[in-house]
Amino acid sequence: EVQLVESGGGLVQPGGSLRLSCAASGFTLSNYWMTWVRQAPGKGLEWVASVKQDGGQTYYVDSVRGRFSISRDNAMNSLYLQMNSLRAEDTAVYHCARWNGCVGSYCYLDYWGQGTLVTVSS
Amino acid sequence: QTVVTQEPSFSVSPGGTVTLTCGLTSGSVSSSYHPSWYQQTPGQAPRTLIYNINIRSSGVPDRFSGSILGNKAALTITGAQAVDESDYYCLLHMGSGIWVFGGGTKLTVL
Repeated sequence: EVQLVESGGGLVQPGGSLRLSCAASGFTLSNYWMTWVRQAPGKGLEWVASVKQDGGQTYYVDSVRGRFSISRDNAMNSLYLQMNSLRAEDTAVYHCARWNGCVGSYCYLDYWGQGTLVTVSS
Repeated sequence: QTVVTQEPSFSVSPGGTVTLTCGLTSGSVSSSYHPSWYQQTPGQAPRTLIYNINIRSSGVPDRFSGSILGNKAALTITGAQAVDESDYYCLLHMGSGIWVFGGGTKLTVL
């Protein structure tokens, strides 16, 4: 059974840092692109960042580029999101998710974690 | 900057049919955008419904279908049930590894 379990969320002051982790099980992590998606309280979903199977390519939404860094450790079956210079508007539930396909005619998110809450406040 | 558009809310009667759309403020949605649809109830992780325009994800009832209508991607629910009352999001690939969700549609079944 595919499972994605996020951890590392919490309360952090503006300007602070936090590192989120996503533990993957039930599949071979190194075969898949992975991503982080966030949802601010009462708001919609927002794609944040994606990373290729080997970690060699990364992509970010404009609002986090230069502040956030997505990475992975396939040997540890883990995905990470290092978040620096945090702002109040980064407050959200952060979900990790798996991309399916993305080498041919289709690409979509097929498995999601339940998410971890990040609150940026003084 | 191109924005992905969805109806903010929609209402459907039980047993009725509703079509939600996913468009662009500039241009037309096509297969090259890899449109997919997700369902989310409050406090839960999103659930994948449709990908590649019209392919249902595993376990998704056949009352859910996807298509391209005009210049938009569309999600149709035929024979809506109370359990379908949720938020629905589309996701599009904007190129260069950048993905954008639509703002979501809150569907009410009553």
